[in-house]
Amino acid sequence: KQEVTQIPAALSVPEGENLVLNCSFTDSAIYNLQWFRQDPGKGLTSLLLIQSSQREQTSGRLNASLDKSSGRSTLYIAASQPGDSATYLCAVSFTSGTYKYIFGTGTRLKVLA
Amino acid sequence: SQTIHQWPATLVQPVGSPLSLECTVEGTSNPNLYWYRQAAGRGLQLLFYSVGIGQISSEVPQNLSASRPQDRQFILSSKKLLLSDSGFYLCAFKGLAEAFFGQGTRLTVV
Repeated sequence: KQEVTQIPAALSVPEGENLVLNCSFTDSAIYNLQWFRQDPGKGLTSLLLIQSSQREQTSGRLNASLDKSSGRSTLYIAASQPGDSATYLCAVSFTSGTYKYIFGTGTRLKVLA
Repeated sequence: SQTIHQWPATLVQPVGSPLSLECTVEGTSNPNLYWYRQAAGRGLQLLFYSVGIGQISSEVPQNLSASRPQDRQFILSSKKLLLSDSGFYLCAFKGLAEAFFGQGTRLTVV
C-alpha cells in the first residue's frame, strides 16, 4: 500500500530558528512530490514541486530535497517567522499503475514571536 | 492560465439531505481530477480520482459518489448525508507536473 507520513506531527519553535520538516513515502516509484501550506480553515497553497529527476528545489527561505532511494523528502525553512505558522503537507504522485496523489499527515508548525 | 473553481465555499445541510459539490477546471484539457476530504484535525483523505470522462475510481467505501460528465467538470454527490460526512472537501486537478487545488467547501451536516 502506498503511504506518505510526516514527522513531527507538531512543532513549536522561537522566531529565527532554522527548521526541517520530514516526509516519508513507502514506494520509491514516484512521479513527483509537492509541498503545500495550509492555514487554518483554508485551502492549500503550493510551495515547492520536485520532479522525480530532481534532488532539490528552492524558493526564498524554503528548500525542499528529495531522496527517492530512501523514500524521503525534507522541507527546510530558514530564519522562521511567525507568519510561517501553518500546517505543512507533502503529497506524492506515484507512478506504479495509478494516478493517485497521496497526502502525508501534515506537520503543524507554530513559530513564536 | 490554469485555474480551478469549487463551490460553494460553505454549506450546512441536515442529515438525510442530498449533496452536490461541483468543481470545474480551466486552462487545461484531460486533467486528472481528485476529490479529497479533511475531517477536523485530520489529514487529507483521497476519496475519488478520475483520469477521464466517466472514469471514476473510489478510494474508500462511503456514502458519497463522484461523476465526471465533462472533461473539466467533477461532481461529488450524496443521496443522503450522514453526520460523519461533515468536513472540508477539496477538489484538485493535476496535469503533467504540479497539482492545483480549489479553495474548498466546508460542509457541516446537522
